Amino acid sequence: DGGITQSPKYLFRKEGQNVTLSCEQNLNHDAMYWYRQDPGQGLRLIYYSQIVNDFQKGDIAEGYSVSREKKESFPLTVTSAQKNPTAFYLCASSISWSGTGMRGYTFGSGTRLTVV
Amino acid sequence: QQPVQSPQAVILREGEDAVINCSSSKALYSVHWYRQKHGEAPVFLMILLKGGEQKGHDKISASFNEKKQQSSLYLTASQLSYSGTYFCGTALNNNDMRFGAGTRLTVKP
Repeated sequence: DGGITQSPKYLFRKEGQNVTLSCEQNLNHDAMYWYRQDPGQGLRLIYYSQIVNDFQKGDIAEGYSVSREKKESFPLTVTSAQKNPTAFYLCASSISWSGTGMRGYTFGSGTRLTVV
Repeated sequence: QQPVQSPQAVILREGEDAVINCSSSKALYSVHWYRQKHGEAPVFLMILLKGGEQKGHDKISASFNEKKQQSSLYLTASQLSYSGTYFCGTALNNNDMRFGAGTRLTVKP
């Protein structure tokens, strides 16, 4: 079955470290997204990619970076510049940027990042 | 740009009904609804496009009032499996979706 795989499920980061969250999909979806989830704030968009080798900042991109070298993969790096990185991170994909509508987003199971 | 959901939380007994609302300050192209169980990925329930349609999925249905820029999710005869957090996602055009803060629904026996 196709889907989105996020790893690791839990991640601990020391102050000043960069960490990378993995997101892989085998749905043949063109568009991919990263969201951050904090209690009471819903899902906030960090970065999105409409197509390979292209990505755009979302609402809270500061302190994060991404790459999209392959259609299947959209890793997120949380840099030391992100002052409050402890959160639940969700990766999602949709069949296409313009075709988001009828099938919605498919989400991964998430990575919980904690700063220690 | 994020839509506003209400209520923030609701507790039901099995068999009772609930309504969750989602509103936007801007004209909407579409509204998505998702359900997330604790520690799991959100799961797509349905989408409503502008034009004022209503959809149903089992005993869960939704409406989209384009003029009022709001959508409502209706859960009838709730089951224990309906428990979770419900999110609406709103798009101002054919992409660029933003999510509400969620409504936590608890169904008790």
